[in-house]
Amino acid sequence: NAGVMQNPRHLVRRRGQEARLRCSPMKGHSHVYWYRQLPEEGLKFMVYLQKENIIDESGMPKERFSAEFPKEGPSILRIQQVVRGDSAAYFCASSPVSVDEQFFGPGTRLTVL
Amino acid sequence: AQSVTQPDIHITVSEGASLELRCNYSYGATPYLFWYVQSPGQGLQLLLKYFSGDTLVQGIKGFEAEFKRSQSSFNLRKPSVHWSDAAEYFCAVGALTGNQFYFGTGTSLTVIP
Repeated sequence: NAGVMQNPRHLVRRRGQEARLRCSPMKGHSHVYWYRQLPEEGLKFMVYLQKENIIDESGMPKERFSAEFPKEGPSILRIQQVVRGDSAAYFCASSPVSVDEQFFGPGTRLTVL
Repeated sequence: AQSVTQPDIHITVSEGASLELRCNYSYGATPYLFWYVQSPGQGLQLLLKYFSGDTLVQGIKGFEAEFKRSQSSFNLRKPSVHWSDAAEYFCAVGALTGNQFYFGTGTSLTVIP
């Protein structure tokens, strides 16, 4: 059973471009979580999704950030018009049920030039 | 408000010595508690978790943690550290509703020969 997959592993964007980060949860997992890790900091929750639904987006910046988890395909975290402050590692996690261990992917390291 | 505090930013121990990493939490309900380890450039791997029952939990790689409700603590221990244990360690508390984990800022462990 493959673990949580994230791609790309590294992403470089110039200011103003769009970044798309993909996450494929573990097989059988329908709950997906996105976290952001800034240098020298812990992980900060961004959004929690189930298939086709956003359950909790309390950690998402109000502008430029969006997330989806369609019926088919991976979950996508989209950042429009990136700025240097968006440079961070973005981790996706999945779980089979809502109250359970979260399994983390290897992360996508976004660098904004 | 929910929060997790890891008071030690960086710890250095000699190989073979014992280890204790501190974690204190603030949570308004029964917490679910986790310890994760992160190697450089990698994702997070679960070491152990506490949901209920015995307050001393055993994890992988010889780690254990003890939940002390009266002290709001969930400290991680290992009797004899190996050089391969050098990594970043994160304590996290999960919500009963399962929406998100709250992470501490991490403790960086260095192991010297």
